[in-house]
Amino acid sequence: DGGITQSPKYLFRKEGQNVTLSCEQNLNHDAMYWYRQDPGQGLRLIYYSQIVNDFQKGDIAEGYSVSREKKESFPLTVTSAQKNPTAFYLCASSIFRQNQPQHFGDGTRLSIL
Amino acid sequence: GENVEQHPSTLSVQEGDSAVIKCTYSDSASNYFPWYKQELGKRPQLIIDIRSNVGEKKDQRIAVTLNKTAKHFSLHITETQPEDSAVYFCSKYNNNDMRFGAGTRLTVKP
Repeated sequence: DGGITQSPKYLFRKEGQNVTLSCEQNLNHDAMYWYRQDPGQGLRLIYYSQIVNDFQKGDIAEGYSVSREKKESFPLTVTSAQKNPTAFYLCASSIFRQNQPQHFGDGTRLSIL
Repeated sequence: GENVEQHPSTLSVQEGDSAVIKCTYSDSASNYFPWYKQELGKRPQLIIDIRSNVGEKKDQRIAVTLNKTAKHFSLHITETQPEDSAVYFCSKYNNNDMRFGAGTRLTVKP
């Protein structure tokens, strides 16, 4: 789905460092989401945003922060408070209406140095 | 929100056979059930979805069935091909709360 772009594809974090994952969409979707994917655990919701300047915590928000200053952009910061950040991170967007599927980006794989 | 249970976690079939993946949930308010396919290292992509007002939907070799009373839904792939090998995720939608199953790794052996 070329409408959602995540960068970088691979990211390495040092001890005590904050890192930011980028997610941009040109689908004119109101809602955007961040998921963490670990082997055997499916997709777990970190944060989501339904409109600009508003966002809500998901199930595993601790150690993460987000912003939604523009409709097209929903960056995720993995803070030093997140002690186990190694995972595959997926960004998604959807029309803000019930019963609409999500469109995913290609993901960012984050590892600890 | 309520989660969704997905089984089996791994499934291996011979090319040409059928594959069935089942998901169960517990809340009666969920009304939209998409299925996603994720190939290795790639993004999940929607392959089929079903809404609560129908019991079955088909798209070529893929079908999904929904039993709202029993709160389970299933993905059926017929005449499997090696390119069907991937991880499949079921999901359910209750208002603006979407939950995913843990995934099924399907391997189709040529």
